[in-house]
Amino acid sequence: NAGVTQTPKFRVLKTGQSMTLLCAQDMNHEYMYWYRQDPGMGLRLIHYSVGEGTTAKGEVPDGYNVSRLKKQNFLLGLESAAPSQTSVYFCASSYSRLAGGPRTDTQYFGPGTRLTVL
Amino acid sequence: KQEVTQIPAALSVPEGENLVLNCSFTDSAIYNLQWFRQDPGKGLTSLLLIQSSQREQTSGRLNASLDKSSGRSTLYIAASQPGDSATYLCAVMDDYKLSFGAGTTVTVRA
Repeated sequence: NAGVTQTPKFRVLKTGQSMTLLCAQDMNHEYMYWYRQDPGMGLRLIHYSVGEGTTAKGEVPDGYNVSRLKKQNFLLGLESAAPSQTSVYFCASSYSRLAGGPRTDTQYFGPGTRLTVL
Repeated sequence: KQEVTQIPAALSVPEGENLVLNCSFTDSAIYNLQWFRQDPGKGLTSLLLIQSSQREQTSGRLNASLDKSSGRSTLYIAASQPGDSATYLCAVMDDYKLSFGAGTTVTVRA
């Protein structure tokens, strides 16, 4: 199992450029999340998904869009990058049994993408 | 809006000393509380998860307690080692979402 992987690991953009970050998980998890981490502020939730084809806004969704067309993939898009979006982006996934059995909410994180917007 | 606070922001101890890390949260209506470890430049690794109905969880040298009514959790690390040096983050879950504290950066001196 590769767990949660993120592509790319590093990226430098100019203001106004667009890009897509890819997150993939091979654990058949239902839920997937995108966070950003800034110094001294902990992790803040951008968007999340509770299943294939569904997405929802988190704490800081402005300037980002997401899609979950396949259960194993969760994409984060920046349509017009701004310097305020310079950050480290983490993807995570977790599994929740919807019918019977114990619920498991441990989140598994990817290694992160370090994005710099000039 | 859930607010999670971790004090202190940084901690330095000699090897062998026990570590005590504190976490507080403002809304006690949580589903669970999780402790993570983050090494520099790396992602987060889950250490312990305490369900809201539980009072504590243990894994090896780690023990985490939860007092939901007072909005507090404590992570104890016994007999610290230099390999325990990292940032420790606390997070509370409600409605399938985690709210994180800013973390406590621990340095264990050999």
